[in-house]
Amino acid sequence: DQQVKQNSPSLSVQEGRISILNCDYTNSMFDYFLWYKKYPAEGPTFLISISSIKDKNEDGRFTVFLNKSAKHLSLHIVPSQPGDSAVYFCAASARNNNDMRFGAGTRLTVKP
Amino acid sequence: GAVVSQHPSRVICKSGTSVKIECRSLDFQATTMFWYRQFPKQSLMLMATSNEGSKATYEQGVEKDKFLINHASLTLSTLTVTSAHPEDSSFYICSAKGDPGWSEAFFGQGTRLTVV
Repeated sequence: DQQVKQNSPSLSVQEGRISILNCDYTNSMFDYFLWYKKYPAEGPTFLISISSIKDKNEDGRFTVFLNKSAKHLSLHIVPSQPGDSAVYFCAASARNNNDMRFGAGTRLTVKP
Repeated sequence: GAVVSQHPSRVICKSGTSVKIECRSLDFQATTMFWYRQFPKQSLMLMATSNEGSKATYEQGVEKDKFLINHASLTLSTLTVTSAHPEDSSFYICSAKGDPGWSEAFFGQGTRLTVV
């Protein structure tokens, strides 16, 4: 039962361009969404999050957009840098419980 | 951000033996800890959720007698892989959340288990 889906397993962009990573969810109880970045053989690190009461949250080069009606969120990275190359996981949780579900991840490659 | 330490980072064990992995929250009290398993080129698979002082809740398909989880204190959870087999070889990652009002979970560094 995949409640959080990242349909693109990989994405390749040129340095300096925008990277857009997408995520869809099915559970309408989710009200908090997070993006994590993961390098090989390391644990994921928290990147940015958004509450369901917002539709946009920006932190430097990273912006997360939430479309509740479509149950869709996206992470924009601009400008993309080679150091951004990693696997990005979308996660969703509901504040009334401690459950957190992850998408399958998208491997981003930023080419110099 | 909060720090979660996972130990060991790598372990090699013989088939049939048991391995214990520790997950510690260093600067906060973790009311909830999660254990994940990651297969090569695949997502993080939630294995179980544990709350301090109570039994872990296992995801469907995860053998609770094989993957023993103990969350004995607010700063420590352990995952013991019992009677390990080569197919248990994987990357295991823990994460922790503090007060139930927290929405972010913080991850440990992961443990690469190889069963030979």
